[in-house]
Amino acid sequence: LAKTTQPISMDSYEGQEVNITCSHNNIATNDYITWYQQFPSQGPRFIIQGYKTKVTNEVASLFIPADRKSSTLSLPRVSLSDTAVYYCLVGDMANDYKLSFGAGTTVTVRA
Amino acid sequence: DTAVSQTPKYLVTQMGNDKSIKCEQNLGHDTMYWYKQDSKKFLKIMFSYNNKELIINETVPNRFSPKSPDKAHLNLHINSLELGDSAVYFCASSPLQRGYNEQFFGPGTRLTVL
Repeated sequence: LAKTTQPISMDSYEGQEVNITCSHNNIATNDYITWYQQFPSQGPRFIIQGYKTKVTNEVASLFIPADRKSSTLSLPRVSLSDTAVYYCLVGDMANDYKLSFGAGTTVTVRA
Repeated sequence: DTAVSQTPKYLVTQMGNDKSIKCEQNLGHDTMYWYKQDSKKFLKIMFSYNNKELIINETVPNRFSPKSPDKAHLNLHINSLELGDSAVYFCASSPLQRGYNEQFFGPGTRLTVL
């Protein structure tokens, strides 16, 4: 599984946009990029997944440059309830049976 | 109508005891997983079952034994508990055998070994 590197923590304020960048220099051709969110005392929750360019859903956007060696999760207009740990994962969607979580990025949103 | 449920939510026990954690999913998924999250928040996969068949067994002591009576249940039995087993254990399920699609996690079981 490709190794990922994310910032350990980020602080933000309500209403701001939060961008979390994940580095995955060894990403393979078949690998997809997936982000999970984990609130305290809860299990991780799938946010978004993409292969290249941009993916957007009701929760977030995922930007992936052409070389795919990094990706950026964008959370628009965060609220206090977006305070959580965000995990970036990279793996082969066709052949991988497991998820490998790193330490994640702790995002703290303040009023 | 909880999707993935685990019992108990908290488990406090003495070293050397044997305990079990139960997991059930009502999503109709074929694949289920057990993860361990340590104090540093790293989440590591332990086991995965697909249609009651073991497909992933990471380097986990054989004191840990998963059991899948049917594809909706994956229980985790731990023998001779040790201090280092203290962690939060998460059960998860996914709709496809190749688990890199979305996985649905349970609320976790916080195990404390004294």
